[in-house]
Amino acid sequence: EDQVTQSPEALRLQEGESSSLNCSYTVSGLRGLFWYRQDPGKGPEFLFTLYSAGEEKEKERLKATLTKKESFLHITAPKPEDSATYLCAVLSFGNEKLTFGTGTRLTIIP
Amino acid sequence: DADVTQTPRNRITKTGKRIMLECSQTKGHDRMYWYRQDPGLGLQLIYYSFDVKDINKGEISDGYSVSRQAQAKFSLSLESAIPNQTALYFCATSDLTGGYTFGSGTRLTVV
Repeated sequence: EDQVTQSPEALRLQEGESSSLNCSYTVSGLRGLFWYRQDPGKGPEFLFTLYSAGEEKEKERLKATLTKKESFLHITAPKPEDSATYLCAVLSFGNEKLTFGTGTRLTIIP
Repeated sequence: DADVTQTPRNRITKTGKRIMLECSQTKGHDRMYWYRQDPGLGLQLIYYSFDVKDINKGEISDGYSVSRQAQAKFSLSLESAIPNQTALYFCATSDLTGGYTFGSGTRLTVV
């Protein structure tokens, strides 16, 4: 059974204070790892897909990285508009549906 | 227009009433999903469909039913609503690469 654990549950940062969110996963064979951003009361919005260990992807202040056991979402010099819940999900061979973590609620204080 | 449209956006209903939540998508994908989200519990899969003739139960299907009317339409019904079904409901669609596109959600309150 695929499992995804995200940490921390919540993170408060000052504007400009860089940090990382963690997503640990257990799968039989990884097809893809996905990061989503979710604003309160809205649907998750796709950010990145990573397919193999060592892969990195960037978008503005966000960079996602992948190892064989975990993924990190690095946020550099965050702004208040980066405040949201960030969800991680995995897709594995033999399971045609995404398995989601419970998310990290990120708050950036001006 | 949004890729995935959910209606209604908000709904308040009484205990015991039947209610239908509707979802339509313009992505042309075969795969569609219904999720429920409660604070602190993340996304829980209710039902999913990989094509018009394929319907599957998810983790929490009790008390819910679905109908896949066409490739683009997937409806979720609560046969007899109860207060603990108060939640945010999301519809999503995906292609074979696995990445999901979500709708904006329906906030359902059962009183």
